[in-house]
Amino acid sequence: EAQVTQNPRYLITVTGKKLTVTCSQNMNHEYMSWYRQDPGLGLRQIYYSMNVEVTDKGDVPEGYKVSRKEKRNFPLILESPSPNQTSLYFCASTGSLNNEQFFGPGTRLTVL
Amino acid sequence: GEDVEQSLFLSVREGDSSVINCTYTDSSSTYLYWYKQEPGAGLQLLTYIFSNMDMKQDQRLTVLLNKKDKHLSLRIADTQTGDSAIYFCAESGRWGKLQFGAGTQVVVTP
Repeated sequence: EAQVTQNPRYLITVTGKKLTVTCSQNMNHEYMSWYRQDPGLGLRQIYYSMNVEVTDKGDVPEGYKVSRKEKRNFPLILESPSPNQTSLYFCASTGSLNNEQFFGPGTRLTVL
Repeated sequence: GEDVEQSLFLSVREGDSSVINCTYTDSSSTYLYWYKQEPGAGLQLLTYIFSNMDMKQDQRLTVLLNKKDKHLSLRIADTQTGDSAIYFCAESGRWGKLQFGAGTQVVVTP
């Protein structure tokens, strides 16, 4: 089954404790991205990657890092999380047909 | 997203038609999308329209695009309780970078 998976689905952590949210897709897509969803703001792109070892900032990259060592994986790294990074995070990958984005199930992060 | 605007809330009676409106600013958008998000779930692509089309119909869903006014709408015919969700309008340029609206919460009442 074609899918995007994220782990963990839920995470509560404390300020300053490094964390990684993993994302994996099995569709051989080249383009992957991370979004955060906040009430009243919709989804905003954090980082994206057009291929292995090619990453770039989206609209709200501050406080985040990503890596793309393999085509299928695109982890999101928070080196020193802060409470304003409490949000719902979605990973997505894009195939070539009509640019449809396939979204993961989301990771709800709370930073205390 | 500031470049895509939607109303935040819509209440509709079961069996009636729902119309969700969206305006966007990027005239170079290749595709325009409607996504549905049910409580506690991710985003599900409902339908999309290519920028050179005016209308697309898919079962109960009708998408209208007015490119001159940069206005997109989604009509759901015979709205059911299962249609209660948040609906996001999104525009896309090259390589699928999506600009989302804030989402419209649709509540279907019996």
